[in-house]
Amino acid sequence: KAGVTQTPRYLIKTRGQQVTLSCSPISGHRSVSWYQQTPGQGLQFLFEYFSETQRNKGNFPGRFSGRQFSNSRSEMNVSTLELGDSALYLCASSLRFGDTEAFFGQGTRLTVV
Amino acid sequence: GENVEQHPSTLSVQEGDSAVIKCTYSDSASNYFPWYKQELGKRPQLIIDIRSNVGEKKDQRIAVTLNKTAKHFSLHITETQPEDSAVYFCAASIAQNFVFGPGTRLSVLP
Repeated sequence: KAGVTQTPRYLIKTRGQQVTLSCSPISGHRSVSWYQQTPGQGLQFLFEYFSETQRNKGNFPGRFSGRQFSNSRSEMNVSTLELGDSALYLCASSLRFGDTEAFFGQGTRLTVV
Repeated sequence: GENVEQHPSTLSVQEGDSAVIKCTYSDSASNYFPWYKQELGKRPQLIIDIRSNVGEKKDQRIAVTLNKTAKHFSLHITETQPEDSAVYFCAASIAQNFVFGPGTRLSVLP
């Protein structure tokens, strides 16, 4: 069974640009969560999608948005990029919504210059 | 909101010794507590988890204990090996919103 797949693995963008990251969950999993990992702030929850609906949202500005498609694949978008958005963005796949095991993808390392 | 603290931030042990990492959480509604291991440059990997209706869970050399009254849970690794060296994260979850601790860097010295 394939694991969680994130694309691209690496991205370099300039300030002010926007970026879209993709996450394909484990086959059969319907919940996808997104996290930002930085050395200073650790792992921080961005949002979680289940059945194409955002169920939970972390404390991030509106520049961070996401969506989930009918096949459970999810995308995350960051608009008007800032230097502080440089981070490893991880998505996690769960079978269902509600306190179940979450399995992480390899992440997308975003560098904003 | 939920807040998770984790101690120690770094831990060095001799190979074969035990390692204990402790976490506390603030929201009594949290009911799922996973532990993740992250090696350098790799994804966090789920190593063990515990739910609020269980006090202890063991999987070979790894065990987790939960004290709901005190709102703390701990990871115990026995007979540590060099490959256990990594950063370990605890988390507390309410409705799939995982709040992670800041991590513990474990070094197992041969």
